[in-house]
Amino acid sequence: ELKVEQNPLFLSMQEGKNYTIYCNYSTTSDRLYWYRQDPGKSLESLFVLLSNGAVKQEGRLMASLDTKARLSTLHITAAVHDLSATYFCAVDIMYSGGGADGLTFGKGTHLIIQP
Amino acid sequence: NAGVMQNPRHLVRRRGQEARLRCSPMKGHSHVYWYRQLPEEGLKFMVYLQKENIIDESGMPKERFSAEFPKEGPSILRIQQVVRGDSAAYFCASSPLSRGGELFFGEGSRLTVL
Repeated sequence: ELKVEQNPLFLSMQEGKNYTIYCNYSTTSDRLYWYRQDPGKSLESLFVLLSNGAVKQEGRLMASLDTKARLSTLHITAAVHDLSATYFCAVDIMYSGGGADGLTFGKGTHLIIQP
Repeated sequence: NAGVMQNPRHLVRRRGQEARLRCSPMKGHSHVYWYRQLPEEGLKFMVYLQKENIIDESGMPKERFSAEFPKEGPSILRIQQVVRGDSAAYFCASSPLSRGGELFFGEGSRLTVL
């Protein structure tokens, strides 16, 4: 069974600081997604990482994928309050060779950025 | 182009009642996924459907839960004889591709069972 683990699960940080969220997964896959969820809202797609070494950046967020280490990171640079949300990584099972459908999500990282 | 539409957004049911959740995918999308999110948890895959076909229901509980995606109309997730443990947010996502396509999520239906 594919397992996806995020850490930390809770993160409180000050504006202007940098931090990294980690996403480890247990089996081979080369397709990984990062989503943002605001309270009571749907999931907003942030990044789709398709291959080993992929790096994508949007504003203060940068995501990377190391398929050999089965690790993705979401780096926040000079955090601002508007980035407060829950961030999920999700791995595509189909691309892990398991043959099943659907994404496997981590438990999410609750990020609070304080002024 | 409207996004994925789910209704109702909030639903309250008493134990033993039935809950029906609807999902209209984005225009041009014929692949629908249902996920369940418990409080403080990530989303758990339930079922993947294409028009008139259930492709993968490996995440669906064996009893009381069913899903359909008819030729015409929205996809429906049906929960019979609800219990308190069914209280959760149920998200629908659609995709234009059968494999590996990006998923676009609706805003979810939040079921509360009293």
